Amino acid sequence: DIQMTQSPSSLSASVGDRVTITCRANQNIKHNLNWYQQETGKAPKLLIYGASSLQSGVPSRFSGSGSGADFSLTISSLQIEDFATYFCQQSYTSPLSFGAGTKVEIK
Amino acid sequence: QVQLVESGGGLVQPGRSLRLSCAASGFTFSYYGMHWVRQAPGRGLEWVAITSYHGSYEQYGDSVKGRFTISRDNSKNILYLQMNSLRAEDTAVYYCAKDRLYCSRTSCLESGVYYSYTMDVWGQGTTVTVSS
Repeated sequence: DIQMTQSPSSLSASVGDRVTITCRANQNIKHNLNWYQQETGKAPKLLIYGASSLQSGVPSRFSGSGSGADFSLTISSLQIEDFATYFCQQSYTSPLSFGAGTKVEIK
Repeated sequence: QVQLVESGGGLVQPGRSLRLSCAASGFTFSYYGMHWVRQAPGRGLEWVAITSYHGSYEQYGDSVKGRFTISRDNSKNILYLQMNSLRAEDTAVYYCAKDRLYCSRTSCLESGVYYSYTMDVWGQGTTVTVSS
């Protein structure tokens, strides 16, 4: 099974900051990597699919990059509504697997 | 609008069974694969199962294989998760989610690809608590 490792597990940032979260797979998953945002008490929401494609309706301050085993999610200018937990997920093969999450908190 | 509404959660004793439902609306349900994903209290996300658009193919996570069964009724636009031999570690919020890949009558049959493994719409979740 494919293991996904996210870092950091949490971070504190201010509105306007540039934030980057990384995700590493334990094998080559090509471009098959998705990013989700989950606000407290709510369902996850798809942000990025295929490593770098922005889901419809998602603000352009979110971007994804990477291929193979190393990926990143960047928020170019953090907004108040972006304080949430972010998960990566490999979509390369079953069983699907998620990273443990990165909680973005207000500094 | 596209909507998924889960139901059927509750408190159940270890070893017993429970069936979850997910009612879909706002899209052509029979053209998309569907997932179940769960989240234990204070924990991350765990993928549970997927069914193909026509219900002929299924895949499961290792922790539920042999105990859980995913199914669907395309005439009613409902997804199910039958959970047997429940354990305390099955306690979680269970989400249903739509797969991103559109399967027309022939496209997926011809390609042999039934899923994108990407979840683009999620329900609000239903809580399952397994405890004596």
